[in-house]
Amino acid sequence: GIQVEQSPPDLILQEGANSTLRCNFSDSVNNLQWFHQNPWGQLINLFYIPSGTKQNGRLSATTVATERYSLLYISSSQTTDSGVYFCAVNPYSSASKIIFGSGTRLSIRP
Amino acid sequence: EAQVTQNPRYLITVTGKKLTVTCSQNMNHEYMSWYRQDPGLGLRQIYYSMNVEVTDKGDVPEGYKVSRKEKRNFPLILESPSPNQTSLYFCASSLSSGSPLHFGNGTRLTVT
Repeated sequence: GIQVEQSPPDLILQEGANSTLRCNFSDSVNNLQWFHQNPWGQLINLFYIPSGTKQNGRLSATTVATERYSLLYISSSQTTDSGVYFCAVNPYSSASKIIFGSGTRLSIRP
Repeated sequence: EAQVTQNPRYLITVTGKKLTVTCSQNMNHEYMSWYRQDPGLGLRQIYYSMNVEVTDKGDVPEGYKVSRKEKRNFPLILESPSPNQTSLYFCASSLSSGSPLHFGNGTRLTVT
């Protein structure tokens, strides 16, 4: 089946820094989503982005489906950005399934 | 308020004692699914449902059952729980399998 790999697994930054999180997938996908899991465990949908670029405030995401990767950019990090970021794909070969990466744990220090 | 509601939030049980985790959504979504989250493994899909009476296995279905008798409800059933099912469980829903997912707040299950 499809493999979804996220990097880096862990990232520690000072408040105000910028970061780039990467999601690679091994096969064609119908769509891709980014989620943030906050320290209380809640999963929040950040972006639904099968291709192209989207922006929402300090966050933006780009998916290049033909090259099988997606990037999540966080600018001017705040402590509330801490948590785990997951990407999830809907494989073209199994359109009803959803496969998650193992996540990037982001810690923003004040 | 549009939401996915899971109950209970925390559950401690013993090996072999049947349990059910409930999931309900009020957004008229057709697609519902269950996941377990374990350290270092991300979220893994257990079962999903495309619509009422239509369910199928995800990547880790062993030891679990589901049913979808009504559009809004998708309970997860562990008929004989074992310690390796200790995990954090999430229910999610979306308009279709290719639409943005909305998650419940999770159920932390401990099986002793």
